Amino acid sequence: QQQVKQSPQSLIVQKGGISIINCAYENTAFDYFPWYQQFPGKGPALLIAIRPDVSEKKEGRFTISFNKSAKQFSLHIMDSQPGDSATYFCAARNQGGKLIFGQGTELSVKP
Amino acid sequence: DVKVTQSSRYLVKRTGEKVFLECVQDMDHENMFWYRQDPGLGLRLIYFSYDVKMKEKGDIPEGYSVSREKKERFSLILESASTNQTSMYLCASSWLGEGGYTFGSGTRLTVV
Repeated sequence: QQQVKQSPQSLIVQKGGISIINCAYENTAFDYFPWYQQFPGKGPALLIAIRPDVSEKKEGRFTISFNKSAKQFSLHIMDSQPGDSATYFCAARNQGGKLIFGQGTELSVKP
Repeated sequence: DVKVTQSSRYLVKRTGEKVFLECVQDMDHENMFWYRQDPGLGLRLIYFSYDVKMKEKGDIPEGYSVSREKKERFSLILESASTNQTSMYLCASSWLGEGGYTFGSGTRLTVV
C-alpha cells in the first residue's frame, strides 16, 4: 500500500528524443507527487511536482502527466539533452507527511 | 541559498565500530530525515524527526539510532557497523506538512 513502483530501471535516449519514466502507486491517500533529479556525487534535488487534482504540469522541457483513476504518473523530458543524464526518482507523500520514493531510473542521453 | 550539510562525503570504517553521521540544516525546518540509497532499491527511510528530541522509525531502522538535540542538527548513529551497512547515506529536511525535501550531498560509507 505504501509502495511506489518506478520503471524502467535504466533508460538510454538519443539527444533530442523524449524520455519517459513511469510510476504507479496503490495508496489513494497520497496527496503530493514530486520528481527528484540526482547527479553523480550530489543529493537528489526537487525537479517538478504535482497534486492529484491536476492532470498535467509542465515546466520547460519537463512535464508530469497524472492519471488519478489508473494511479499512475509519469515524467516526460522533451528534447532530451546529455546534461539531463542523471538518476530520477518519483515519490508520493503519505498521510503522515513522509515521501515514499520509487526505485529510481538511471537516464543516459547519448549525443 | 538554503542548505543541508553532511559533515563527511566519504567514510571508511571497520566492522564493529560506532559510526556517527552528522547533518545540519540552515532553513529552520521542523522535519529531518535519514535515508540510505542502494542501487535498484531507491531511497529507503531509516529514521525521521519532526521536532527536537522527537524521532520515529522509518522502514529500515535496525542497526541504527538517531539523535536530535537541536533543531538544526540530526545525527545518525551506527551502533556497531557491519559490512551490509556499506551504502550512500542521505540526510534531508522539510517544513512540517510540506512535501518538498531538501537533500544533502550524501555520505558514502564503506564498512570493511
